[in-house]
Amino acid sequence: KNQVEQSPQSLIILEGKNCTLQCNYTVSPFSNLRWYKQDTGRGPVSLTIMTFSENTKSNGRYTATLDADTKQSSLHITASQLSDSASYICVVNTGNQFYFGTGTSLTVIP
Amino acid sequence: DAGITQSPRHKVTETGTPVTLRCHQTENHRYMYWYRQDPGHGLRLIHYSYGVKDTDKGEVSDGYSVSRSKTEDFLLTLESATSSQTSVYFCAISGTLDSHEQFFGPGTRLTVL
Repeated sequence: KNQVEQSPQSLIILEGKNCTLQCNYTVSPFSNLRWYKQDTGRGPVSLTIMTFSENTKSNGRYTATLDADTKQSSLHITASQLSDSASYICVVNTGNQFYFGTGTSLTVIP
Repeated sequence: DAGITQSPRHKVTETGTPVTLRCHQTENHRYMYWYRQDPGHGLRLIHYSYGVKDTDKGEVSDGYSVSRSKTEDFLLTLESATSSQTSVYFCAISGTLDSHEQFFGPGTRLTVL
């Protein structure tokens, strides 16, 4: 069964600290994997998009990694800011279907 | 929000009444999608469209219908709303099915009493 699982479900960190969010998937075939940030009351916004051949991709303080062999991805946030408080969603695309994780809720406190 | 609007943004209705949600895009993207988002679930696909008058079902299509008479508009209809359809509904667009990018609208919060 095609599934995308994210961990942890929720996370609280102090401002300025780093954190890593995990995404494990069983989706096949694999076309690409994206990380989205969803602020409360808003639609998801893309952070990074990775294809099979890409191991790492950065977008400012966000760095995503992909291990296609183990079907794992991570999103690393460096020097967190209060504005990073949001839900982070991992999405795997097979080429004709999108599979969504349930998200990690991140809260950054001062 | 990449030229996507949804209307209404909030709606409260009663069980058994019909409800139509509208998604409008200005990007001329071919693909449009309707998702619902509920606590404990990821975004779940209701229906999608791959062109004018071309639509297909997603994983949670029961109780919903869609129509796309113009490239820019994608309508989601609940023929007879039920409390289980209380949710936040998101519209999304993409240029291709294997797109590296899927843009989401701001969402519509629907409450069925």
